Amino acid sequence: DAMVIQNPRYQVTQFGKPVTLSCSQTLNHNVMYWYQQKSSQAPKLLFHYYDKDFNNEADTPDNFQSRRPNTSFCFLDIRSPGLGDAAMYLCATSKGGGTGNQDTQYFGPGTRLTVL
Amino acid sequence: SQKIEQNSEALNIQEGKTATLTCNYTNYSPAYLQWYRQDPGRGPVFLLLIRENEKEKRKERLKVTFDTTLKQSLFHITASQPADSATYLCALTTSGTYKYIFGTGTRLKVLA
Repeated sequence: DAMVIQNPRYQVTQFGKPVTLSCSQTLNHNVMYWYQQKSSQAPKLLFHYYDKDFNNEADTPDNFQSRRPNTSFCFLDIRSPGLGDAAMYLCATSKGGGTGNQDTQYFGPGTRLTVL
Repeated sequence: SQKIEQNSEALNIQEGKTATLTCNYTNYSPAYLQWYRQDPGRGPVFLLLIRENEKEKRKERLKVTFDTTLKQSLFHITASQPADSATYLCALTTSGTYKYIFGTGTRLKVLA
């Protein structure tokens, strides 16, 4: 089945130790998103790629970086995780195009990040 | 500033009743509004999309309304079941973009 896969499902890192979260998709979608979601809060968009074009949100800290080496894979790098970065990180994809159904987002199961 | 508001308090209803969840927005002119379901520890799952020129959309036991004058969407689940218990998120976007802004969600609990 076509899907969005995130690895690992649970990640524990130490304060200040770089960590990379990965996302892959078999949907061949143009757009890949990274969201941060803290408990009982809305998913917060960090950045997204339309193909290779990177779009950063204005309030995304510089500590967060992303790479998309090809259509299928996208990575979230946290250069120096702080305690406040502990959250669920959600990857999503969409076809792109701004025409309603094409923008339905398909989410992965998320990676729960713990910072010690 | 732009704001999307959903009831932060959990909604508890009896099995078989209709659940109605509210999504209000301010300082925003969405072209599309979507509803997602999110179970604990999982990613959101798409349920329904409604366009700004549509008043109502239905899918099986689900119904969404969109009132751009009131700046409100209502999400209804008829004949609710305990398996419908989850958090329901609304998300908005404007035309020409594929970025969605999410609300915080409303937690629904259907009691058997």
